[in-house]
Amino acid sequence: GAGVSQSPSNKVTEKGKDVELRCDPISGHTALYWYRQSLGQGLEFLIYFQGNSAPDKSGLPSDRFSAERTGGSVSTLTIQRTQQEDSAVYLCASSFGQGVSGYTFGSGTRLTVV
Amino acid sequence: GENVEQHPSTLSVQEGDSAVIKCTYSDSASNYFPWYKQELGKRPQLIIDIRSNVGEKKDQRIAVTLNKTAKHFSLHITETQPEDSAVYFCAASIEGNEKLTFGTGTRLTIIP
Repeated sequence: GAGVSQSPSNKVTEKGKDVELRCDPISGHTALYWYRQSLGQGLEFLIYFQGNSAPDKSGLPSDRFSAERTGGSVSTLTIQRTQQEDSAVYLCASSFGQGVSGYTFGSGTRLTVV
Repeated sequence: GENVEQHPSTLSVQEGDSAVIKCTYSDSASNYFPWYKQELGKRPQLIIDIRSNVGEKKDQRIAVTLNKTAKHFSLHITETQPEDSAVYFCAASIEGNEKLTFGTGTRLTIIP
């Protein structure tokens, strides 16, 4: 596609429920990233996929968070047993990788845990 | 890992004046430094970037300078306009790793 697509754009869930957030990167981009942005805050790194390499999971805040990338394209971020502090905008980005360029971000998923 | 600090956190300037936002980084291996602009409710968008083999880069009213010795880089916006009002993020990446570490952001307000 022309840009990075994320779905859903908004998600309201009850505390304790699991949620899945989806990211469709730009075609041809080998690198995919997930960041979290709490209200009025900066961009917190979560996880990074590059081609077929093992993902860099160093930013995942707890074992309730996981992500996968199937076929080197679409990625899903899963948050299990959601907590109120998980409320944030989850941004996905993609890039060509290998030292080329900056990211292109998606519009994000606004997650609200009630 | 890399640590990026950004100052100021908020900045207000009169329309037509210049704005400067500064960032420092910790890892001397970092070699790519992009700047992102995020308007209210929108996605961050890349506005300019610089690599470690140059000291300055300009694009119309926007310029970025890099001092590798001091490990700091700055965003300069001249002749500011109301549409420049946004949150600006600096970032850095370490050679061989495409993961960007972001600064905490600067909320720039242009006063008409």
